[in-house]
Amino acid sequence: DAGITQSPRHKVTETGTPVTLRCHQTENHRYMYWYRQDPGHGLRLIHYSYGVKDTDKGEVSDGYSVSRSKTEDFLLTLESATSSQTSVYFCAIRSAGAGETQYFGPGTRLLVL
Amino acid sequence: GENVEQHPSTLSVQEGDSAVIKCTYSDSASNYFPWYKQELGKRPQLIIDIRSNVGEKKDQRIAVTLNKTAKHFSLHITETQPEDSAVYFCAASLGGSQGNLIFGKGTKLSVKP
Repeated sequence: DAGITQSPRHKVTETGTPVTLRCHQTENHRYMYWYRQDPGHGLRLIHYSYGVKDTDKGEVSDGYSVSRSKTEDFLLTLESATSSQTSVYFCAIRSAGAGETQYFGPGTRLLVL
Repeated sequence: GENVEQHPSTLSVQEGDSAVIKCTYSDSASNYFPWYKQELGKRPQLIIDIRSNVGEKKDQRIAVTLNKTAKHFSLHITETQPEDSAVYFCAASLGGSQGNLIFGKGTKLSVKP
């Protein structure tokens, strides 16, 4: 499982509250990604990181921010959660020397009421 | 923007038959094409991948073919088994990106005993 964990695994929150999801990896991978998965949409990239403090936007970044202050942790923050952000969130990692292969974490199921 | 089209969205086959899933991509700079299998409630798992310098790759009952001229690639599963039932996602690398992938919307494969 490429040493990836996500927390929490499940969360229920209310509209307007801030939410932070954590992705933690133990194998010193350079690249980390946050995706959301919704029925009929597949996996869509939210934000990604190519090193400590180096992040960039993906396809669906509006309403989300990220931070990476150390190699092992990549945080995804919903500043003010909305019902449209109800989704399953997957973190993924990629090693610089392993081509483009990405490996996924176990996912976080988020419900915004 | 760039995209990946995946067909069919659902596929039902009898055990022992073959299954084929097709994807087309738009970015002519794409050079890496992975396939992921996702069982219900689980993370996407890489099952096979192919790079642009190769036209076909096999791994036991699974094969992937790539036609760069036509910008399409396909997943072939032979002698299907009930445990092959899952959602399958194709993806293509984005040229000029940090190894980012763009995913198809997925194919739900059902293998009937």
